[in-house]
Parts: sequence; structure tokens; C-alpha cells
Amino acid sequence: DAGITQSPRHKVTETGTPVTLRCHQTENHRYMYWYRQDPGHGLRLIHYSYGVKDTDKGEVSDGYSVSRSKTEDFLLTLESATSSQTSVYFCAISEGSEKLFFGSGTQLSVL
Amino acid sequence: QKEVEQDPGPLSVPEGAIVSLNCTYSNSAFQYFMWYRQYSRKGPELLMYTYSSGNKEDGRFTAQVDKSSKYISLFIRDSQPSDSATYLCAMNVNTGTASKLTFGTGTRLQVTL
Repeated sequence: DAGITQSPRHKVTETGTPVTLRCHQTENHRYMYWYRQDPGHGLRLIHYSYGVKDTDKGEVSDGYSVSRSKTEDFLLTLESATSSQTSVYFCAISEGSEKLFFGSGTQLSVL
Repeated sequence: QKEVEQDPGPLSVPEGAIVSLNCTYSNSAFQYFMWYRQYSRKGPELLMYTYSSGNKEDGRFTAQVDKSSKYISLFIRDSQPSDSATYLCAMNVNTGTASKLTFGTGTRLQVTL
């Protein structure tokens, strides 16, 4: 998966708890993204980063925050998880404004 | 109405058939068009990438873009059981910055023996 590692691969948590998902890349690409994938909605952009400490919101950013302290790492945090955040989360990277390459995903279940 | 529309399927075809997968879109500013293949419990994998209108061929796969009709297609020739997956179309505008793709919801394809 294009030098992208997501951790954990699976996570079960309870409503109201904080959760952090990690994305690590070895490609030295400038841009990193977090998407969620849900039936009937497809892939939707949560947040993205265009450099260290530079991030911006996507289409469905409410309830999520991100941080990028190093080029290779992009963290997604759910401050207080809700059942509506049960989803599959994908990290992606790109060098420019064209092709995106995806990681293997994290299945998150919020009970 | 969604910006990108894609029939969810499932589409079931026999091995060796020609498969046609399609997406329509409403934003005439889209310039880059992509097809991703996603196997069950895996991340999307970039399959085809085209810029503007025209055809692009890669082995058994042909991507076609008709900007005048706002319609893109992916053709798979001599389909194989290993082609069974969900196919996502995606597109974006070249802003010179981040690649904020707009995705279709995906078409599930099943190729049977």
C-alpha cells in the first residue's frame, strides 16, 4: 500500500472515550489525508495536511482533530467518540494535486 | 443530488465478459479522472488515471472520459474472477495544492466462473 502504515487495524471503543488513529508514510509525500468510508456515502474527506503543522478541514470534520508534527506521521483524534463515528478510516498520501494512494484502513467500532 | 453518481450494483458477469462501469458528474470544472479498485477489507488501489477527455488503455482496462456529457467509463475486457471487487470513480480539479478528490459510492462487481 504505497509505503503507508495505519495503526491500529481494528479498534473497539466505548462512547465518550478519546481515540487516536495513526498514519505513517515512508514516501516523503507532502500531502496526507484522512477519509472515512461508509455504505451509501463512499469516501469522504475528514481533514488533510499540506505540510508539518499545516492542516485544513475536509467535508466531514466535526468531531475530529488532526496533528502532523513530522512529515511521515499524521494523527487523527476523536476527542469523545460517538456511535456515528463507527466507520472504516483510510489514510492517503499524495505528492501533488492529482493521484492519491491509500493505506489499508482502520476499522473503528464505537459501542 | 450528489456531485458524482455511480450505480452501486452489484453487477454479476460470467468470466470472460466485457464489463462496463460508469459514473456521471455535475461539476464541469473536474479535470482529473481516476478509477480505484477496492478488494474487501482493503484500501482503494489506483487503477487508471486520465486527464481531460479521451481514452486511456492499460492491458485489459480502458478508461474513457466524455467531458461534454459529464460521463466517465471503465471497461474491463476478458474479465477474471480476480477482478471481483468494488470499483470507485474519483475526480478533482487541479488547484495546484492538495488533491481533494470527489468519489462515487462504488460499484460492486462479481465475476463468476
